[in-house]
Amino acid sequence: DGGITQSPKYLFRKEGQNVTLSCEQNLNHDAMYWYRQDPGQGLRLIYYSQIVNDFQKGDIAEGYSVSREKKESFPLTVTSAQKNPTAFYLCASSIEASRGYTFGSGTRLTVV
Amino acid sequence: RKEVEQDPGPFNVPEGATVAFNCTYSNSASQSFFWYRQDCRKEPKLLMSVYSSGNEDGRFTAQLNRASQYISLLIRDSKLSDSATYLCVARRSQGNLIFGKGTKLSVKP
Repeated sequence: DGGITQSPKYLFRKEGQNVTLSCEQNLNHDAMYWYRQDPGQGLRLIYYSQIVNDFQKGDIAEGYSVSREKKESFPLTVTSAQKNPTAFYLCASSIEASRGYTFGSGTRLTVV
Repeated sequence: RKEVEQDPGPFNVPEGATVAFNCTYSNSASQSFFWYRQDCRKEPKLLMSVYSSGNEDGRFTAQLNRASQYISLLIRDSKLSDSATYLCVARRSQGNLIFGKGTKLSVKP
């Protein structure tokens, strides 16, 4: 079945460590996105990529980095420069934005 | 002004009630609009697209008023399973989506 897979579902890291969140899709979608969700804050766009080997900063890109070396994969690295990394991270993809997104099941990152 | 604004609720309604959610958006250049549903601690799922001509899917009706930059969602004959947070979404000219903070609905027996 086609879909988006995010792993791991839960992730715990010590403060100051970089961590990479995985996002893989087999929907043959060109565009992929990363959002973070905090309680009461809604979804906020971190980075997005509309084509392989290209990506753009979203509204809250500071402290994050991404790569898009393959169409299927769009990993997100949360660096030590991100001041408040504990959040629910959601990856999405779309064949075109006018049709809406399909989301992965998310990764809950807790930094202790 | 936030790009997409919604009343956070919660809306507490009895089963069988009709409930309406409203949403406003600030960017008149936005081209596409959606309602997503998000259950507690789960990912958002597309509920329906929103068109100026209106869009109906069973008990759900969505409407867009471009002149007022206003989007609505009407749920008729509410079910317990409709309890969730409903996210209003607009598409930016760059192609990515901007999400409202969501309106929480709780349907009681």
